Amino acid sequence: DAGVIQSPRHEVTEMGQEVTLRCKPISGHDYLFWYRQTMMRGLELLIYFNNNVPIDDSGMPEDRFSAKMPNASFSTLKIQPSEPRDSAVYFCASRQGTNTEAFFGQGTRLTVV
Amino acid sequence: KQEVTQIPAALSVPEGENLVLNCSFTDSAIYNLQWFRQDPGKGLTSLLLIQSSQREQTSGRLNASLDKSSGRSTLYIAASQPGDSATYLCAVIVYDMRFGAGTRLTVKP
Repeated sequence: DAGVIQSPRHEVTEMGQEVTLRCKPISGHDYLFWYRQTMMRGLELLIYFNNNVPIDDSGMPEDRFSAKMPNASFSTLKIQPSEPRDSAVYFCASRQGTNTEAFFGQGTRLTVV
Repeated sequence: KQEVTQIPAALSVPEGENLVLNCSFTDSAIYNLQWFRQDPGKGLTSLLLIQSSQREQTSGRLNASLDKSSGRSTLYIAASQPGDSATYLCAVIVYDMRFGAGTRLTVKP
């Protein structure tokens, strides 16, 4: 397996624009996590899914953020409208069950100007 | 709410030293704990997973221990090398994963 795949790797956008980040988890993994990493706040859990169902979205900072998982092989994190304070690295991770390792994608570095 | 703390925040050692990184958590009702390393500008790489039924896990020069009752885990690195320089993060696992802020390790040649 190619691991967790995220796209794009880098995104630069203007304030107010819609941004969509994409994630393909490892095949067979039933948990998918979205994190945001900044120097100030470290790794923050935004939302996680189990079997394509959102379980806990309490980490989503505002209504501007939304996430979907339409099937077991694809998830999106959308920010609309984007703001400069959304600039961060966004990571996706996946895991099979609760007793196995989680694996991370390479991240998407988002810059909102 | 689970709080995860890693001490020290940064550590600098000469090559060849043995070292210990610490991770503590406030809620002992966890399933597992996983250690990761992160190189600058990169994603997280899994190092070790310790299941709640285990007290220890080893991989090469790395040894991780878990004491759920005291809410602590340690990562022991033997004979450190410059290539070990990275940020090390622990994650406590129930259904979700909560991370500490990490320990930034520098191993000097």
